[in-house]
Amino acid sequence: GQQVQQSPASLVLQEGENAELQCNFSTSLNSMQWFYQRPGGSLVSLFYNPSGTKHSGRLTSTTVIKERRSSLHISSSQTTDSGTYLCALANNAGAKLTFGGGTRLTVRP
Amino acid sequence: AQTIHQWPVAEIKAVGSPLSLGCTIKGKSSPNLYWYWQATGGTLQQLFYSITVGQVESVVQLNLSASRPKDDQFILSTEKLLLSHSGFYLCAWSLTNQAPLFGEGTRLSVL
Repeated sequence: GQQVQQSPASLVLQEGENAELQCNFSTSLNSMQWFYQRPGGSLVSLFYNPSGTKHSGRLTSTTVIKERRSSLHISSSQTTDSGTYLCALANNAGAKLTFGGGTRLTVRP
Repeated sequence: AQTIHQWPVAEIKAVGSPLSLGCTIKGKSSPNLYWYWQATGGTLQQLFYSITVGQVESVVQLNLSASRPKDDQFILSTEKLLLSHSGFYLCAWSLTNQAPLFGEGTRLSVL
């Protein structure tokens, strides 16, 4: 079965609204990473191996390892936040990343 | 500073034709190297990884092969493209237990 599940699959917001993206793992967590995938396909790393709560600008990642879940909160969304948000689970030593299916976010002006 | 460069940026190829995609890492010796692939609308999945020159491990079989002829170079290739090879290919590097860094990708259309 799928090891990394993301929800929702897609989300449409009005500019200024907040977003909450979820990532759940079916296996034990070694390390995980949140990415933003640009419309052209390239990846931007947002958070790496977050445990607890971490902040980066308008982004907040909250990971509860024993519950095998992580969330990404985007506050005061902007149109430039539109794109796909991916979470990925890494195995021991990080040699293999397993990606979730992503959440496609559209922020309307 | 480390840089990762993928080429070409995009390719349009015919079914049955050969393919070679390249990836070069500068500024880091003996990195772990990875190839990922994403079908249009699909999930990113790892294809290959390499921890040293000349050594490549296959993760998913897609009738593709990979080689690492130099410490800083990773090549993805096939003799005969299939329609199902279309998609987006990403190269990445990392050190053990560190976050991978990705290249800008190559978009491949097989017609």
